[in-house]
Amino acid sequence: GNSVTQMEGPVTLSEEAFLTINCTYTATGYPSLFWYVQYPGEGLQLLLKATKADDKGSNKGFEATYRKETTSFHLEKGSVQVSDSAVYFCARGGGSQGNLIFGKGTKLSVKP
Amino acid sequence: EADIYQTPRYLVIGTGKKITLECSQTMGHDKMYWYQQDPGMELHLIHYSYGVNSTEKGDLSSESTVSRIRTEHFPLTLESARPSHTSQYLCASSPPGTGWYEQYFGPGTRLTVT
Repeated sequence: GNSVTQMEGPVTLSEEAFLTINCTYTATGYPSLFWYVQYPGEGLQLLLKATKADDKGSNKGFEATYRKETTSFHLEKGSVQVSDSAVYFCARGGGSQGNLIFGKGTKLSVKP
Repeated sequence: EADIYQTPRYLVIGTGKKITLECSQTMGHDKMYWYQQDPGMELHLIHYSYGVNSTEKGDLSSESTVSRIRTEHFPLTLESARPSHTSQYLCASSPPGTGWYEQYFGPGTRLTVT
C-alpha cells in the first residue's frame, strides 16, 4: 500500500486563512521528505523539502517540519492567497525503484 | 527552474495509432521516470531508468515502452493507442548520487485517445 498518507480534499479556504495539510508516512529509517505543488495544466514543482529529523523546509510562505516522533510532515501557511489554489503532494524518498513515493494529493481552492 | 521538457503538451489521437511522447532534460541527470496521473490526481510510476541503456517497469503495469539511448532523452511509445490510455503523462528526472533526491518534473503531456 501507499506509505504516504495525506488529508483528503478538496480543501476550500477564504483568502488570508490559515492552511494546514496533514501528511504522515511509514518508512524504515529516516527518508527525505518533500512537498510538491501542481498548478492547473502543469507538472509538479518542488515546493520544499527536509532531509533529516527536525529540519524545517520553507518556501513562498509555506513551511513543513520533519517530525520523526509522529512520522509527519504537515504543510502550513499563515495566510493563503487565491494564487495558492493548486494540488499539493506530499512525498518521501526510499522507493524500491529509486523513486519518490507520493501521497494521493490534496486539492486546495482559495476564494477571494 | 528545472530544465526538463515534454512534447507535445496536448495530443488527441484515434484508436490504433502509434504515438511517442518526448521527454528531454538538460541537467545531466542519470535517473529518469515516467508517471501516469489519473483524473483523481494520484501518480503511478510506469517506467524508470537509471542511465543509458537501462529501463525498468514501474509499479503500474503499462502497455507503453521506453528507451534510453542518450542520457538526456527518455521517450515513451504506445504502439497502438486505446481509449484506456487517455491520461496525463509526467516525465521526471533526478540527479546522480546516492540518497533520495528531489525529482524535477516536466509540464506533462495530456493524451486523449478517441
